[in-house]
Amino acid sequence: ELKVEQNPLFLSMQEGKNYTIYCNYSTTSDRLYWYRQDPGKSLESLFVLLSNGAVKQEGRLMASLDTKARLSTLHITAAVHDLSATYFCAVDSGRGEYGNKLVFGAGTILRVKS
Amino acid sequence: DAGITQSPRHKVTETGTPVTLRCHQTENHRYMYWYRQDPGHGLRLIHYSYGVKDTDKGEVSDGYSVSRSKTEDFLLTLESATSSQTSVYFCAISVGSTAMNTEAFFGQGTRLTVV
Repeated sequence: ELKVEQNPLFLSMQEGKNYTIYCNYSTTSDRLYWYRQDPGKSLESLFVLLSNGAVKQEGRLMASLDTKARLSTLHITAAVHDLSATYFCAVDSGRGEYGNKLVFGAGTILRVKS
Repeated sequence: DAGITQSPRHKVTETGTPVTLRCHQTENHRYMYWYRQDPGHGLRLIHYSYGVKDTDKGEVSDGYSVSRSKTEDFLLTLESATSSQTSVYFCAISVGSTAMNTEAFFGQGTRLTVV
């Protein structure tokens, strides 16, 4: 059974600082996703990571995937208040089939303090 | 919003009553999903559909049923609501041209409270 663990679950950081959120998963998968959720809102897709060594960057966020270690990281560079949100990683439990049967981590609540 | 509309957006219901949540999409996507979101658990898959009348169970399907009689609508029914089903429910669709590049997009959510 696929399990996804995120840590930390809560992160309070100062503006301008760097930090990393970790996502470990228990069984082989070929697709990993990062989402952002603002309070009371839907999930917004941030990154889709499909292969070992994949690295994607958008603004102050960079995501990477190591399929051998079953680990993805979301790195935050020089945090700003607008990045305050909950971040989820999700791993696809399907075996190369079409669709997205996702298993989510518990989420990381990020608060950026000025 | 990927053309997904959930209704209702908020509902308060009594224990033991049936409840149906609706997910409507406008873009003819084949795969649709229902997830629930609870603190400390992220989102968990309840049921999914891979076509009209084709559905299957997810991780937390007990107490829920689904139906899909048209491509655009995926209904989630709580036959007899319980307090443990108080949650935020999200519908999602898969978008992508091949199996490897599919990505899930989520609706706005339905907040259900069972009292």
